[in-house]
Amino acid sequence: EAGVVQSPRYKIIEKKQPVAFWCNPISGHNTLYWYLQNLGQGPELLIRYENEEAVDDSQLPKDRFSAERLKGVDSTLKIQPAELGDSAVYLCASSFGQTAGANVLTFGAGSRLTVL
Amino acid sequence: AQSVTQLDSQVPVFEEAPVELRCNYSSSVSVYLFWYVQYPNQGLQLLLKYLSGSTLVKGINGFEAEFNKSQTSFHLRKPSVHISDTAEYFCAVSAISGSARQLTFGSGTQLTVLP
Repeated sequence: EAGVVQSPRYKIIEKKQPVAFWCNPISGHNTLYWYLQNLGQGPELLIRYENEEAVDDSQLPKDRFSAERLKGVDSTLKIQPAELGDSAVYLCASSFGQTAGANVLTFGAGSRLTVL
Repeated sequence: AQSVTQLDSQVPVFEEAPVELRCNYSSSVSVYLFWYVQYPNQGLQLLLKYLSGSTLVKGINGFEAEFNKSQTSFHLRKPSVHISDTAEYFCAVSAISGSARQLTFGSGTQLTVLP
């Protein structure tokens, strides 16, 4: 079974440029998460989808970040414009089931963003 | 809301020695508890989880953790570590019910196993 696939693995851009990250979750997983991981820190939730609906986006900085999950499968996270402080690893994860608290998340390898 | 404190940011230990990685949590409601491991340049993967029942939970790669409700702790242990156990370990918690059932992670503990 293929895992959670993310691309690109690495991205270097200059500040004020746009950037997009793509995630393909495990087949059949109805819940998809985007996490932000700063250096030396644990992951922090940005947004959670159940199927195609964003059910928790309270931590997503909506002035510059946007996300979508069309057809309830793949998802894209966009930053426009990027700032220096956005340099981090963006992790995508997916899970199956309705018992959100008990679900085990499967993570992708992450997309490492460097903003110059 | 829940929070997780991992008391040690770095733990160096010699190969074949025992190790304990400490985790304390704070929550006003009952919680599920998890340990995830992150190897360099890889995503996080589940080591073990506590949902209910026995407070001693066994996971993969010889790791185990004990849930202590009175001390709000979920420490991770391994009796004898290997070089391959070198990685970042994250403790995480989620509420059993309510709207805030997202997974909240600690800041991580870097375990370095020395030859």
